[in-house]
Amino acid sequence: AQRVTQPEKLLSVFKGAPVELKCNYSYSGSPELFWYVQYSRQRLQLLLRHISRESIKGFTADLNKGETSFHLKKPFAQEEDSAMYYCARSAGGYNKLIFGAGTRLAVHP
Amino acid sequence: GAGVSQSPRYKVAKRGQDVALRCDPISGHVSLFWYQQALGQGPEFLTYFQNEAQLDKSGLPSDRFFAERPEGSVSTLKIQRTQQEDSAVYLCASSFRTGRDGYTFGSGTRLTVV
Repeated sequence: AQRVTQPEKLLSVFKGAPVELKCNYSYSGSPELFWYVQYSRQRLQLLLRHISRESIKGFTADLNKGETSFHLKKPFAQEEDSAMYYCARSAGGYNKLIFGAGTRLAVHP
Repeated sequence: GAGVSQSPRYKVAKRGQDVALRCDPISGHVSLFWYQQALGQGPEFLTYFQNEAQLDKSGLPSDRFFAERPEGSVSTLKIQRTQQEDSAVYLCASSFRTGRDGYTFGSGTRLTVV
């Protein structure tokens, strides 16, 4: 079965500390990988996708096909980064998404 | 419209009642997806439309769930004879093409079955 695993339900760090949110996916073909973010009282929104190789709000994510991982990283966390983060992979020709359970990032002052 | 609009935002239904959830996607978006998000979980795929055609309904949990998009724009997700396990947030998302560029999500409808 196609799965996305986010092993941490909660990641708590202090402002300025490095952040790494882990994501592993089940291998099946060549999926596209995404990170979505949901800030408090806001809708789920796309943060970044692996094919664009962008850095959004200081976050980057590298696809490691050997380890089937797509971890999200930021060198210096900010309080405004506090949110729920969901890793997702595509499935099917029309790119339905399979989501992980999410990791709540809490950045403390 | 400027974004994906869902209504109602909140719905409380008595067990056994039928409900209808509406999604108004971004104008011109071909692809429309419905997801179900239970408390503490990530969204789970329910069904997919390309224009008015429902190409995948493999995620619908039972035959009590039915979705339509008759004119290729607004979509309705209907749940018949609601059960407590149907309580969740129902998310709608749309995309210009196949979702390869990522989706735009609505704010969701929070359904509580009592």
